[in-house]
Amino acid sequence: AQSVTQPDIHITVSEGASLELRCNYSYGATPYLFWYVQSPGQGLQLLLKYFSGDTLVQGIKGFEAEFKRSQSSFNLRKPSVHWSDAAEYFCAVGTTDSWGKLQFGAGTQVVVTP
Amino acid sequence: DAGVTQSPTHLIKTRGQHVTLRCSPISGHKSVSWYQQVLGQGPQFIFQYYEKEERGRGNFPDRFSARQFPNYSSELNVNALLLGDSALYLCASSLGTAFPREQYFGPGTRLTVT
Repeated sequence: AQSVTQPDIHITVSEGASLELRCNYSYGATPYLFWYVQSPGQGLQLLLKYFSGDTLVQGIKGFEAEFKRSQSSFNLRKPSVHWSDAAEYFCAVGTTDSWGKLQFGAGTQVVVTP
Repeated sequence: DAGVTQSPTHLIKTRGQHVTLRCSPISGHKSVSWYQQVLGQGPQFIFQYYEKEERGRGNFPDRFSARQFPNYSSELNVNALLLGDSALYLCASSLGTAFPREQYFGPGTRLTVT
């Protein structure tokens, strides 16, 4: 069965420290991968996407993600977090045969401490 | 440019009632997808419409229906509301071409069923 797993429900990080959020997927077809961020009571904002090509992708707000096919992973990273990065982060997967349908992970809540 | 817009922002309904949620996509986008996000979970796919035709449907009962208009705006209808329908309903638009494109989300409609 197709699935998206975000193993960490909650992460606490100090301001200025690095951040890595994990995402693993299980799909038979070639996946298209996304990271979205959601602030409380808000919609989802696209941080970055991977369709093909270079496996290290750059996004907005200083985020980057690396696609590792051998590990079925698409982890999100930021070298130095800011207090404004506190939010919920969702990994999502789409496929060519159902491109309008994204399957989301359960999300990782990021708390930033001073 | 205006992003995806949704109306209303908040809605309170009673069990058994009917509700209509509205979405206007980004100008030039022809595909609209609807998602339900229950508190504490990732969004779940409900429908995708492209060029006014249903292109995908998630695992939701027939009480849920949708349509897309000639101007590409969309409505989501839910009949016979249940308490479990309380959620944030998100609309997403994309260009909708032959291959996957990123989806851009609106701010959502918060539906509370009492």
